[in-house]
Amino acid sequence: AQTVTQSQPEMSVQEAETVTLSCTYDTSESDYYLFWYKQPPSRQMILVIRQEAYKQQNATENRFSVNFQKAAKSFSLKISDSQLGDAAMYFCAYMGEGAQKLVFGQGTRLTINP
Amino acid sequence: DTGVSQDPRHKITKRGQNVTFRCDPISEHNRLYWYRQTLGQGPEFLTYFQNEAQLEKSRLLSDRFSAERPKGSFSTLEIQRTEQGDSAMYLCASSPAPGWTEAFFGQGTRLTVV
Repeated sequence: AQTVTQSQPEMSVQEAETVTLSCTYDTSESDYYLFWYKQPPSRQMILVIRQEAYKQQNATENRFSVNFQKAAKSFSLKISDSQLGDAAMYFCAYMGEGAQKLVFGQGTRLTINP
Repeated sequence: DTGVSQDPRHKITKRGQNVTFRCDPISEHNRLYWYRQTLGQGPEFLTYFQNEAQLEKSRLLSDRFSAERPKGSFSTLEIQRTEQGDSAMYLCASSPAPGWTEAFFGQGTRLTVV
């Protein structure tokens, strides 16, 4: 079974600085998708960024980028120019090719210090 | 609001009672998912529907749990004879079609069993 591990229960960063959230996963599949979801307090979870495993190029969405290391099974999220609105729980998630469900990590609570 | 809607947002029930939650997915999304999130953990997959057909159920979904999506639109999740261990956030998500990897989440129903 696939597993996703986030080893940082909490992280904090000063506003406008850069922070990196870590994620590792375990799978025997070669084709899959990786995601970072953001869950603000009392609000619904939203997709931040998605990476297809067959793509070597790291995904980027504005201030959010990933460092995808397939051989190491590592998938970190970098947030540049952190903003107060970035404060949330961040979940790393895995979906196998052809699978229909997400496997989530335990989450990292990100605090932005003004 | 055209997002995923869940009702109720909060439910407190006594141990042994039955509870039912409702999820209205985004219009014309034919995939609907249920996840459970306990405090400090990432969401765990429970079940999903393709239109009205329930295609997969997790082993987490004990005999006391049942989910339906009678007309391929809204879905209900019922828990019979609730136990304190059922206390959690129950999340619903939808996606447009098979092969679509992004899931759109509702705000969840928080269940407390006392």
